Amino acid sequence: NAGVTQTPKFRVLKTGQSMTLLCAQDMNHEYMYWYRQDPGMGLRLIHYSVGEGTTAKGEVPDGYNVSRLKKQNFLLGLESAAPSQTSVYFCASSYTGYNEQFFGPGTRLTVL
Amino acid sequence: GENVEQHPSTLSVQEGDSAVIKCTYSDSASNYFPWYKQELGKRPQLIIDIRSNVGEKKDQRIAVTLNKTAKHFSLHITETQPEDSAVYFCAASTDYGQNFVFGPGTRLSVLP
Repeated sequence: NAGVTQTPKFRVLKTGQSMTLLCAQDMNHEYMYWYRQDPGMGLRLIHYSVGEGTTAKGEVPDGYNVSRLKKQNFLLGLESAAPSQTSVYFCASSYTGYNEQFFGPGTRLTVL
Repeated sequence: GENVEQHPSTLSVQEGDSAVIKCTYSDSASNYFPWYKQELGKRPQLIIDIRSNVGEKKDQRIAVTLNKTAKHFSLHITETQPEDSAVYFCAASTDYGQNFVFGPGTRLSVLP
């Protein structure tokens, strides 16, 4: 099993460009999450999904959109990137909300 | 919304000593409290968790205690080893584990 994978691993964008981050899990988990991690601020939840076709806002959703068309995939989109979105993005999945979250390896995004 | 504070931000201990990290939360409806360990350049991994109907949980050298009245929970690591050196994050969750708020992290250094 690959667990949780993220694509791409690194990306540099210019202000105003758009991009999509892909998260895939092969553990048949219902719950999936997108976090951003900034120095000294821990992990902050952007959006989450509790099942195929569902999404909900987390702590810092502004500037991001998500989709969960297939159970195993959770996509995070940036429509118009801003320098404030420079961060490391982690995807995670879990069987339920009370189970261990398995994290992907992260995507390092720089917006110039 | 939920707010999670974590102290101390950095902690240095001698190998073999104990380490204690404390977190406080604001939302009395929070009912699930996991702890994650993140080694440098790696993804976070769950080390222990506790639900609100339990006051204490132990797993070998690691234990977590929860005081719902005071709204705080603590991570205890005994007989620390150099491989315990990492950043530790606490988190609190409501709504059946849907919405997670993480603390800012504690950098633990175990000195040989």
